[in-house]
Amino acid sequence: EVQLVESGGGLVKPGGSLRLSCEASGFTFSNAWMSWVRQTPGRGLEWVGRIRSKNDGGTTDYAAPVKGRFTISRDDSKNTLYLQMNSLKTEDTAVYYCTTDGVVIVHTFDNWGQGTLVTVSS
Amino acid sequence: DIVMTQSPDSLAVSLGERATINCKSSQSVLYSSNNKNYLAWYQQRPGQPPKVLIYWASTRESGVPDRFSGAGSGADFTLSISSLQAEDVAVYYCQQYYSVPRTFGQGTRVEIK
Repeated sequence: EVQLVESGGGLVKPGGSLRLSCEASGFTFSNAWMSWVRQTPGRGLEWVGRIRSKNDGGTTDYAAPVKGRFTISRDDSKNTLYLQMNSLKTEDTAVYYCTTDGVVIVHTFDNWGQGTLVTVSS
Repeated sequence: DIVMTQSPDSLAVSLGERATINCKSSQSVLYSSNNKNYLAWYQQRPGQPPKVLIYWASTRESGVPDRFSGAGSGADFTLSISSLQAEDVAVYYCQQYYSVPRTFGQGTRVEIK
């Protein structure tokens, strides 16, 4: 059974930093493309970015609102995905979900964690 | 970016009745080389993360009841629930995977009348 467990959320001041982690199990993590998706009551579901498997280059893509501030990385030896968030803004307040990106159903966000809440507020 | 627009924002349907949700994309998500529509539908029950219901616009994910069906092509799509059950109370999202950034519709809340 695929499991994705996010951690690292919390309260941070504007301009601050936070690192989210996502521990994966139940599938071959090293072969998987992974994404982060966030959700707010006002803006709904928003794709944040993705990382390809190392076999596919290990490269990343980001949504425009976070490009240059957020960095996605992975440690395949630990089956863990990361989201480093810098220069945080109040509009980054959201529940952040770790998702698989086409592991079973090509191109879709086919498995989701339970999410971790990030609150950016002074 | 491809903008996904759903309608209505919410609907209330009696148990056993049909629910229909519409989704329009700002450009076609039909990939001509394989004739596939790069569109998925997700269900998000209260307190849960979203889960894939339908992909390629009309293919049901394994385990999804056959009362759920997806239709449409190009830029116009629908999700239908043929006979609404209590466990179908949720928010439903369409999402395109034709191009990056992947984008979602704003969601449609389905409730029991």
